[in-house]
Amino acid sequence: GAVVSQHPSRVICKSGTSVKIECRSLDFQATTMFWYRQFPKKSLMLMATSNEGSKATYEQGVEKDKFLINHASLTLSTLTVTSAHPEDSSFYICSARPPGLASDTQYFGPGTRLTVL
Amino acid sequence: GDSVTQMEGPVTLSEEAFLTINCTYTATGYPSLFWYVQYPGEGLQLLLKATKADDKGSNKGFEATYRKETTSFHLEKGSVQVSDSAVYFCALSSNDYKLSFGAGTTVTVRA
Repeated sequence: GAVVSQHPSRVICKSGTSVKIECRSLDFQATTMFWYRQFPKKSLMLMATSNEGSKATYEQGVEKDKFLINHASLTLSTLTVTSAHPEDSSFYICSARPPGLASDTQYFGPGTRLTVL
Repeated sequence: GDSVTQMEGPVTLSEEAFLTINCTYTATGYPSLFWYVQYPGEGLQLLLKATKADDKGSNKGFEATYRKETTSFHLEKGSVQVSDSAVYFCALSSNDYKLSFGAGTTVTVRA
């Protein structure tokens, strides 16, 4: 099956610093990737949709200047949490959608646990 | 907007017991419906899906039928195993392919 990786799996940073999380589709090209945030014992909340070669589309209430998304290639999207604060601590998950009109399935990465001290 | 409501857990069962997790949805149009599973320490995996009314998705002994009249997509398995212990998410996808998830149901199967 399709494999999506994330790096790092865990990161601890100091308040005020920036953290970059990478999401890669390993065996397929993904024109669209999605970034989610998962709170403890809660569902996944879609943050933004990342399209290769264009600006990301952010969901309502998500600060685009705080969560910078770049989708520079068909296999890589990055999420940068800028000036991180403790309330940004969470589990961040990406997913990738293979191209094709009939492709409504997303493949998920294993997630990145961010802890901001 | 689109939304998914699923049975809250946690659910604890004995091996070989019958499992059902209720899921209902609200959506405009004709969404695709999914069940994703998250095993401990792993990412979400697609368990099964159905793309139109009356379709039945099935995989690994799990089944769910897309019921448009009741806007439901309940997940069932007739005989669970310890290895089925995981968090199960019901989700839907509308025309823009964005996924809306339910809150997740934690299932623990005891030997």
